[in-house]
Amino acid sequence: DSGVTQTPKHLITATGQRVTLRCSPRSGDLSVYWYQQSLDQGLQFLIQYYNGEERAKGNILERFSAQQFPDLHSELNLSSLELGDSALYFCASARTDVSGNTIYFGEGSWLTVV
Amino acid sequence: DQQVKQNSPSLSVQEGRISILNCDYTNSMFDYFLWYKKYPAEGPTFLISISSIKDKNEDGRFTVFLNKSAKHLSLHIVPSQPGDSAVYFCAASLATDSWGKLQFGAGTQVVVTP
Repeated sequence: DSGVTQTPKHLITATGQRVTLRCSPRSGDLSVYWYQQSLDQGLQFLIQYYNGEERAKGNILERFSAQQFPDLHSELNLSSLELGDSALYFCASARTDVSGNTIYFGEGSWLTVV
Repeated sequence: DQQVKQNSPSLSVQEGRISILNCDYTNSMFDYFLWYKKYPAEGPTFLISISSIKDKNEDGRFTVFLNKSAKHLSLHIVPSQPGDSAVYFCAASLATDSWGKLQFGAGTQVVVTP
């Protein structure tokens, strides 16, 4: 158990819909990351928040957005869903953003868009 | 543009023998490299990392070697155990990027046979 909690574990939704994935980082971790793992793209970095502020962006679609709340939990919002958004979405956390800090991953949220 | 490559999708090794996993990269600005292990239905678990200023890092049965001139790193697992059967991901961090914005390889499936 990494200490990073993600909900829901599985989600099936229709195209065009909007979903929210939730992440609780390890206690005390300030940095939260979102990654997407799809069959054809592998693990791709989406976005990072550090202590409530957006810190880095990757290949995140404009239809996707995220935020980190004062209690440090984070949410990833996916809207206007397409079939190609079906993937495993991982949240990860680290104590700080200093290089070398261990990054712990949650078990992921499986999203299936039908 | 895949900057981190794991060219062997699978590896089969006998229990007790050495497992050697390889990873190549194209960007000389990567300054940190990490290895993660992933079991089905779980998130990636951190194994070991190495800074670009070193050429070797060891932690128990796991050793990572870095050859910067060849842009190549490898993970050695000695001795291999059945519980090591998993997918192994190589990841890299750019010096100019925020820590945690990792670029992952496609993974190598390791099967340890009795």
